[in-house]
Amino acid sequence: AQKITQTQPGMFVQEKEAVTLDCTYDTSDQSYGLFWYKQPSSGEMIFLIYQGSYDEQNATEGRYSLNFQKARKSANLVISASQLGDSAMYFCAMREANTGNQFYFGTGTSLTVIP
Amino acid sequence: DAGITQSPRYKITETGRQVTLMCHQTWSHSYMFWYRQDLGHGLRLIYYSAAADITDKGEVPDGYVVSRSKTENFPLTLESATRSQTSVYFCASSESGRGTSTETQYFGPGTRLLVL
Repeated sequence: AQKITQTQPGMFVQEKEAVTLDCTYDTSDQSYGLFWYKQPSSGEMIFLIYQGSYDEQNATEGRYSLNFQKARKSANLVISASQLGDSAMYFCAMREANTGNQFYFGTGTSLTVIP
Repeated sequence: DAGITQSPRYKITETGRQVTLMCHQTWSHSYMFWYRQDLGHGLRLIYYSAAADITDKGEVPDGYVVSRSKTENFPLTLESATRSQTSVYFCASSESGRGTSTETQYFGPGTRLLVL
């Protein structure tokens, strides 16, 4: 079974609008972390935001927030007030304590911001 | 330079040749990772290391060899390159600490490898 599932291969959003990128995960571990990374067309991988399994509040970093629903095992990324520079691939990842602290990645969502 | 670097950034080789991709980090992070990125697959873990002299297989280790004699270096070797190993390779590093699963990883710029 896939550890991380991103069901949206591609998304479009109007500039200045908000967009939600979906991520569901599968784990039986109690201690895990959920991460989002951005990969612009230039190719580098940029860390955006983190949510811990024990965190009760949703994580926020500037225009990024993580909608964490533990019971549903979802960790959706919300980008508010989209900008043209947000056009990129976005990857959701999970890190589990009981599998050697390795990371598992989803297949990514390509976001295009339309002017 | 501080951070995590990879070399070479671009490499063309031929089937059957041995190729080594280098990764160096200056943060003294305990964990290091090697991924390959292919269209439609996202990032797939090849090998990772929790500390010097400790390495573990990831999802796609076949055809690759790693070593970690020093904390800061984590070279990846393709012993006999195949066309299917044409890919973009990313190295990453991460802290370990109070709760390792809480620590993010930081990526190098990637190496684009073409096997002819």
